[in-house]
Amino acid sequence: EAGVAQSPRYKIIEKRQSVAFWCNPISGHATLYWYQQILGQGPKLLIQFQNNGVVDDSQLPKDRFSAERLKGVDSTLKIQPAKLEDSAVYLCASSSNHGGGTQHFGDGTRLSIL
Amino acid sequence: KNEVEQSPQNLTAQEGEFITINCSYSVGISALHWLQQHPGGGIVSLFMLSSGKKKHGRLIATINIQEKHSSLHITASHPRDSAVYICAVYKAAGNKLTFGGGTRVLVKP
Repeated sequence: EAGVAQSPRYKIIEKRQSVAFWCNPISGHATLYWYQQILGQGPKLLIQFQNNGVVDDSQLPKDRFSAERLKGVDSTLKIQPAKLEDSAVYLCASSSNHGGGTQHFGDGTRLSIL
Repeated sequence: KNEVEQSPQNLTAQEGEFITINCSYSVGISALHWLQQHPGGGIVSLFMLSSGKKKHGRLIATINIQEKHSSLHITASHPRDSAVYICAVYKAAGNKLTFGGGTRVLVKP
C-alpha cells in the first residue's frame, strides 16, 4: 500500500511570496488533514476534509491560508502572502474513518521563509 | 495548561537501556496515539489504544483511563530508536487529534 505522498519536501521563499503544497492521500481514505508543525512543538491541525468537504478549519488563518480538495482525493494547501512565522513543517495525513481512526502521515514539507 | 502533557521533554540513554516516556491528559478521550517522528519530519503511527496494553517488537504502550495516563516503553534501546515520540489523543466524541509537545529521545551507542 503506497503511503501519503507530499511535495515538495523542502521550500525556501521570501516573505510576502506565495507557496503551494500538494498531498496525495492513501487510496480510499476519505479523511484528509493538514497540520502545521513549528520547530519544537507538536503538530497543529489547520484543516480537515471529509471527501471534498471541510469538517474543521477553525485554526486555519484564512486571511492568508487556503486549502482545497476538489475531487475528494488530492489536496493543495496555499499560503499567500507568506510571513516569517509560517516557517514550519507542513504535514498531510489521511485516515479511512471519519475521525477516531489511525492517521497515516506523509513526510511533510519543510518551509523556510527568509 | 496544555491538555496533553509529555515527560520528559528530552531523554538521553545508552544503547540497551530501558526507556519510558509518559503522557498525561486532562480531557475525556476515545483513543490515544503514540507517534514517532524522525529528523526530516515524517511521522509514523506506532500504536493506537483505548485500554490496556499493546506490544510491537521492542515497543510497549500502556494506558490507564482512570488516571488519564499512558506510557511508551522501549526495551533494549538502539541508536535507531533516536527520534521524537509524540502522544496524541482523540477527545471523547471528537474527530481530531490533540498533540503533546513530544519527547526527544537520543540513544547513544
